[in-house]
Amino acid sequence: QVQLVESGGGVVQPGRSLGLSCAASGFTFSNYGMHWVRQAPGKGLEWVASISSDGSSKNYADSVKGRLTISRDNSKNTLYLQMNSLRADDTAVYYCVKDFGGPYDYWGQGTLVTVSS
Amino acid sequence: DIVMTQSPDSLAVSLGERATINCKSSQSLLYSSNNKNYLAWYQQKPGQPPKLLISWASTRESGVPDRFSGSGSGTDFTLTISSLQAEDVAVYYCQQYYSFVNSFGQGTKLEIK
Repeated sequence: QVQLVESGGGVVQPGRSLGLSCAASGFTFSNYGMHWVRQAPGKGLEWVASISSDGSSKNYADSVKGRLTISRDNSKNTLYLQMNSLRADDTAVYYCVKDFGGPYDYWGQGTLVTVSS
Repeated sequence: DIVMTQSPDSLAVSLGERATINCKSSQSLLYSSNNKNYLAWYQQKPGQPPKLLISWASTRESGVPDRFSGSGSGTDFTLTISSLQAEDVAVYYCQQYYSFVNSFGQGTKLEIK
């Protein structure tokens, strides 16, 4: 069965960096586009970034452009999110998400990132 | 960027009654070459990740009860729950994937009256 397991969340000071990982299993990872979606505490869903199946195409929300970088390693079945210059409003649960040509059919359980001094 | 606006923000419906959630996009989500609307609906229960209910505006996912249905085209879409059950209490989100920059509506909280 499809599994997406995020890791790397934690508490970080404003201005610092943090890297998230998502280990994928149960499907052919290299065939599918992937996304990061976040949810601030008590708030709605915010799409963050996407990457194509081969990693050649990436897109970002305006709110994170230039600070967050999505990448993948198809040999390791792993998706990444490198987060730099973190701000308080980056505090959220970050979900790793698989798409199947558009809609998102599988979500991880999420990892919480808290940006606080 | 495409802005998605849901209405209402919250909704209370009696058990067994119909619930209707609306979603409006700032531009058309209908792709003319394949006549498909690039719109999905998700259900999120407390402490859980969202679950895909409906894709392509009206295609119900496998295992989703048939009381859930999606309709609409272009810029106006609707999620309907024909007979509300207690387990349907959740927050519902619409999402567009027409643009490479995807986006979600703000969510609609559905409760029992």
